[in-house]
Amino acid sequence: AQKITQTQPGMFVQEKEAVTLDCTYDTSDPSYGLFWYKQPSSGEMIFLIYQGSYDQQNATEGRYSLNFQKARKSANLVISASQLGDSAMYFCAMRSPSQRGSARQLTFGSGTQLTVLP
Amino acid sequence: DSGVTQTPKHLITATGQRVTLRCSPRSGDLSVYWYQQSLDQGLQFLIQYYNGEERAKGNILERFSAQQFPDLHSELNLSSLELGDSALYFCASSVEAGGPGEQYFGPGTRLTVT
Repeated sequence: AQKITQTQPGMFVQEKEAVTLDCTYDTSDPSYGLFWYKQPSSGEMIFLIYQGSYDQQNATEGRYSLNFQKARKSANLVISASQLGDSAMYFCAMRSPSQRGSARQLTFGSGTQLTVLP
Repeated sequence: DSGVTQTPKHLITATGQRVTLRCSPRSGDLSVYWYQQSLDQGLQFLIQYYNGEERAKGNILERFSAQQFPDLHSELNLSSLELGDSALYFCASSVEAGGPGEQYFGPGTRLTVT
């Protein structure tokens, strides 16, 4: 069974500083995908970044980067130059192997509430 | 805007009732996923449809059912509602034809059972 663990229920960061949100995962499958989603107080889920298990380089999307350490089974999200609008709940998620015809549902962690302070 | 639409945005109903939640995926996406987000259970996968056929089931109660229509929109039917069914229900869609398969979520339907 797959499991995602986010051990930080809440985090605070000063505006313009960088912050790292932790995510560890557990799976026995050699092929998997890792995702980060942002959920602002308005409730919608916003896709941020993706890392494949075979990707050689850490994923980056603008101010978001993923610190992928496969041996440690961790996929931490790094947000650089935090902005007030980054205040939200952040979820780490894992997708089951992408075999042809198989289901690809996401398994989510419990989330980290990030608050950016002015 | 993810391109996924869900209606209604809010729904308040009484125990024992039945409701239908509607979802339209992004243009071109064949897969629709339903998730439930509650305070005690977190975000849980309920069911997936791909091009009209059920692909996978997660923690979906027998009182719940879903279908995907030829135009690819999907409906989630919740019956014999209980207080514990109060939650935010998300629909998500993805392409599924290779690639990372990221899922794009709709705005959700907040269901309150009284």
